[in-house]
Amino acid sequence: EIVLTQSPATLSLSPGERATLSCRASQSVSSFLAWYQQKPGQAPRLLIYDTSNRATGIPARFSGTGSGTDFTLTIGSLEPEDFAVYYCQQRYKWPLTFGQGTKLDIK
Amino acid sequence: QVQLVESGGGVVQPGRSLSLSCAASGFTFRAYAMHWVRQTPGKGLEWVAAISYDGSSEFYADSVKGRFTISRDNSRNTLYLQMKSLRAEDSAVYYCARDDAIIIVPIAGGIDYWGQGTLVTASS
Repeated sequence: EIVLTQSPATLSLSPGERATLSCRASQSVSSFLAWYQQKPGQAPRLLIYDTSNRATGIPARFSGTGSGTDFTLTIGSLEPEDFAVYYCQQRYKWPLTFGQGTKLDIK
Repeated sequence: QVQLVESGGGVVQPGRSLSLSCAASGFTFRAYAMHWVRQTPGKGLEWVAAISYDGSSEFYADSVKGRFTISRDNSRNTLYLQMKSLRAEDSAVYYCARDDAIIIVPIAGGIDYWGQGTLVTASS
């Protein structure tokens, strides 16, 4: 199965700062990578699909880049509501897999 | 609005069976592939199983293959997960979720709607 490794495990930043989250795949997933946000007590929410496409209603401060094995989720200027856990998911091959998550917390 | 409501969770002894349901509303259920995704409290997400819009194709994580069965009843707008030979490590919150794409790999799109989850605990 394709293993996704997210880094860092925890990222501590202040509102207004820029966040850069990484997701590395054990083999190429082409551009078939999605990002999800999860807040405590809530279900995940789709942020980005196919590496760089924002899902419906997702603010423009969220952007995704990458291809093959290396992917990045960038949050341009952190808002208080952005502090959450972020997961990447590959949709290139069965079984679908998630990364272990990056927790973005307030510094 | 899209709603996915899971039910059927609870406490079960290891080795026993349990069946989960997910009632869907607010969209044309028969047109969408569906997933089960689980999450151990305090831990990450684990994809469990998926089924095509018409039920003709099923896909499973290696950890549940042969023990879990995903199915759907499009006339009842309901998704199911039959779990057998449960293990302690199957204990988790189980989410029902909708895919916005036809699930032929590689799959474009993402999992666009999620239920609130139902807790399964396998413990003696």
